[in-house]
Amino acid sequence: QVQLQESGPRLVKPSETLSLTCTVSGGSISSYYWSWIRQSPGKGLEWIGYIYDSGTTKYNPSLKSRVTISVDTSQSHLSLKLSSVTSADTAVYYCAREACYFDSRTCFYYFDYWGQGTLVTVSS
Amino acid sequence: DIQMTQSPSSLSASVGDRVTITCRASQSIDTYLDWYQQKPGKAPKVLIFAASSLQTGVPSRFSGSGSGTDFTLTIASLQPEDFATYYCQQSYNLPKTFGQGTKVEVK
Repeated sequence: QVQLQESGPRLVKPSETLSLTCTVSGGSISSYYWSWIRQSPGKGLEWIGYIYDSGTTKYNPSLKSRVTISVDTSQSHLSLKLSSVTSADTAVYYCAREACYFDSRTCFYYFDYWGQGTLVTVSS
Repeated sequence: DIQMTQSPSSLSASVGDRVTITCRASQSIDTYLDWYQQKPGKAPKVLIFAASSLQTGVPSRFSGSGSGTDFTLTIASLQPEDFATYYCQQSYNLPKTFGQGTKVEVK
């Protein structure tokens, strides 16, 4: 059974960098897309970006200038860095795996495994 | 970005009721539409992917339909464990976007 576990500081000061790690166990990190998603009361669920095991990344344009997602396949770790945070970045942060449902035409991706989420508060 | 709009935002229902939640995309997304259930303090859980495919282990009372811009999640007979918030999400284009959620509450 695949399990994802987010970890990192729960309190970050404004203008600093938020750093989280997602540890993947029970399955390979290779050959999957791995996303970070956050949820705040004001903005609902927001996709932050993904990384493929080769290191290919895509980010939400709304956050692109501040986000870095990386992967360490040897350690089965993903990481998220979000710079220059403000109170608007206070949210529960999730990591999630994307599964592919392949039909005759294409791959339909959906989030099949999620971490339990970690609340990060931005405050001085 | 593709905007996903769910309706209603909340609804009250009783055990045994048939519940329907709709999701509308701001442009055609074919069938690149998934449905998630979220309970308080928990991560979302996928119910339906590719608009109508039931995730393994999800009860058959859940079903999804639609294509293009209009989609529906139906719970055939609401059970006590189904009181939760439901989200639709499109994966047709990046960035992936979610609806604002529909909270199903006890009547």
